[in-house]
Amino acid sequence: GENVEQHPSTLSVQEGDSAVIKCTYSDSASNYFPWYKQELGKRPQLIIDIRSNVGEKKDQRIAVTLNKTAKHFSLHITETQPEDSAVYFCAAASSGAGAAGNKLTFGGGTRVLVKP
Amino acid sequence: DTEVTQTPKHLVMGMTNKKSLKCEQHMGHRAMYWYKQKAKKPPELMFVYSYEKLSINESVPSRFSPECPNSSLLNLHLHALQPEDSALYLCASSQGQWNEKLFFGSGTQLSVL
Repeated sequence: GENVEQHPSTLSVQEGDSAVIKCTYSDSASNYFPWYKQELGKRPQLIIDIRSNVGEKKDQRIAVTLNKTAKHFSLHITETQPEDSAVYFCAAASSGAGAAGNKLTFGGGTRVLVKP
Repeated sequence: DTEVTQTPKHLVMGMTNKKSLKCEQHMGHRAMYWYKQKAKKPPELMFVYSYEKLSINESVPSRFSPECPNSSLLNLHLHALQPEDSALYLCASSQGQWNEKLFFGSGTQLSVL
């Protein structure tokens, strides 16, 4: 089955600096890579996702890059703000036609603290 | 309505009790999921329903029994739980493609005494 490794497990940054979280996956059949943000005591929320036919995707201050050959993908947060403090989970899955029965596998999570 | 609603928010139960967790969504999503999340850990998949049929059971003990009465509702029946079952139980739903863009509920924080 799929295995997703996520690093670092904790990340402390100064407000305004950038934060980068890296994930690697093992199953070359995985073609969908979402990132979820979970604030303390709250539900996980999807913040950005990318498919394997795309190398990079941006949404305002967040971006995700994917290297299919190396089987790794990264989350980049620029101009960090205190409200970015949360646990971030990467995940990998097979998606689309024929994907039924395949589960979403999460990385271990990264606790991000943005210091004012 | 773009929410997944879970009740109750908190539940304390003894090992001999029977209780149920409820989940509801009105987004027309056809896949619904139960996840278990321990503190400081990622969500772990328990069950997936697709079009109201159980599609995945991640070898969950029979003391957890899922039910999908209709396309908007998902239940998790609990019986004879163990203290190690204490966790946050999250429901999620998704539309269209399998595994994509999951909407999570706020969860039920379960304590088994």
